[in-house]
Amino acid sequence: DVKVTQSSRYLVKRTGEKVFLECVQDMDHENMFWYRQDPGLGLRLIYFSYDVKMKEKGDIPEGYSVSREKKERFSLILESASTNQTSMYLCASSTQGADNSPLHFGNGTRLTVT
Amino acid sequence: LAKTTQPISMDSYEGQEVNITCSHNNIATNDYITWYQQFPSQGPRFIIQGYKTKVTNEVASLFIPADRKSSTLSLPRVSLSDTAVYYCLVAPLDTGRRALTFGSGTRLQVQP
Repeated sequence: DVKVTQSSRYLVKRTGEKVFLECVQDMDHENMFWYRQDPGLGLRLIYFSYDVKMKEKGDIPEGYSVSREKKERFSLILESASTNQTSMYLCASSTQGADNSPLHFGNGTRLTVT
Repeated sequence: LAKTTQPISMDSYEGQEVNITCSHNNIATNDYITWYQQFPSQGPRFIIQGYKTKVTNEVASLFIPADRKSSTLSLPRVSLSDTAVYYCLVAPLDTGRRALTFGSGTRLQVQP
């Protein structure tokens, strides 16, 4: 089974802090994604990456950056955390190609910014 | 990627069959229909995928009419543990370097 592991289940950070959310997948997937999920808004795509060192903006990239130095790891960075970034953050991965597998998600990191 | 429309919420009782319909009028020829299930405090997980007619697995059935402009996820004899949010997505099987966009999903509440 594909495993997508997010390093923290819960995080509490202060306004202005730099925050790193880490995600690791163990199935050699090319694609990795960061979503945030808020009540009533569903999942919204922040950034995704289709290869090492490659990144693409999603629907709501403002206030975030990402890093993909290795194929298995995709980091989401909040340069200066703000209270409106309090949310559930979900990492996912998938493979490319004709036999594309569905998205595989981690269990999420619930971030609270105070 | 084709836009989807599904009910915001549904209620059911244990033992009943639940059918959740998703509309996707602009589905493309090479699009597949995929459903995900999300329990509270967990990430979504894949439950079923199809292209046309009917697909069945151990979790659910997926019915797709000939025009493919809608699809119905059928959960037989639901239990309390089927309480979750269900998302319908329409996209090519090979999304390549594109990302999938999720809507708000359908919140299913199963009562005893």
